[in-house]
Amino acid sequence: SQQGEEDPQALSIQEGENATMNCSYKTSINNLQWYRQNSGRGLVHLILIRSNEREKHSGRLRVTLDTSKKSSSLLITASRAADTASYFCATDASGTYKYIFGTGTRLKVLA
Amino acid sequence: EADIYQTPRYLVIGTGKKITLECSQTMGHDKMYWYQQDPGMELHLIHYSYGVNSTEKGDLSSESTVSRIRTEHFPLTLESARPSHTSQYLCASSEYTGGGYTFGSGTRLTVV
Repeated sequence: SQQGEEDPQALSIQEGENATMNCSYKTSINNLQWYRQNSGRGLVHLILIRSNEREKHSGRLRVTLDTSKKSSSLLITASRAADTASYFCATDASGTYKYIFGTGTRLKVLA
Repeated sequence: EADIYQTPRYLVIGTGKKITLECSQTMGHDKMYWYQQDPGMELHLIHYSYGVNSTEKGDLSSESTVSRIRTEHFPLTLESARPSHTSQYLCASSEYTGGGYTFGSGTRLTVV
């Protein structure tokens, strides 16, 4: 069974709007990461949040982590057409340090 | 730009052929990984290595094999390719256990 599941599966917004994606997981974790994948390419690491952290920022990205609900959210503010991509969360079950990826959210930002 | 390279970028081969997908990184990372991804789907870990001469199978059963003779090189081999092996194969490395991954651009394999 997969560790992480993203929600929604697909999201379409206008340029300038904010985009929020959610990730839920099943077991205790050490870390949670978010990645971006442009069509047919490799993944690009966006941000890592540790289990003892609740919120992290990086530029227009804001990630929150709620370990009691086993969930995380990725917020992209003031979206741009270049943000169009698939976004994946990855979690490592405690004690393993092997990351398991979810199915991803496909974000489309319309110019 | 990522310092991890995968070749070839695209490969179309016939059933029964032996193939090796190359992955090299110049960052000196000990940890390396192979993931398999079908279009629009999640990534599945098929092999990983925590250092030279150390390889482990991942969570998804795979008929492929890997080797880690040098830190920078982590090739994946299919002894006899089948149409069910058609997929994208992504290689990644990380500096430390639990750290962020650097991914290659992937090899898209089609077995006909």
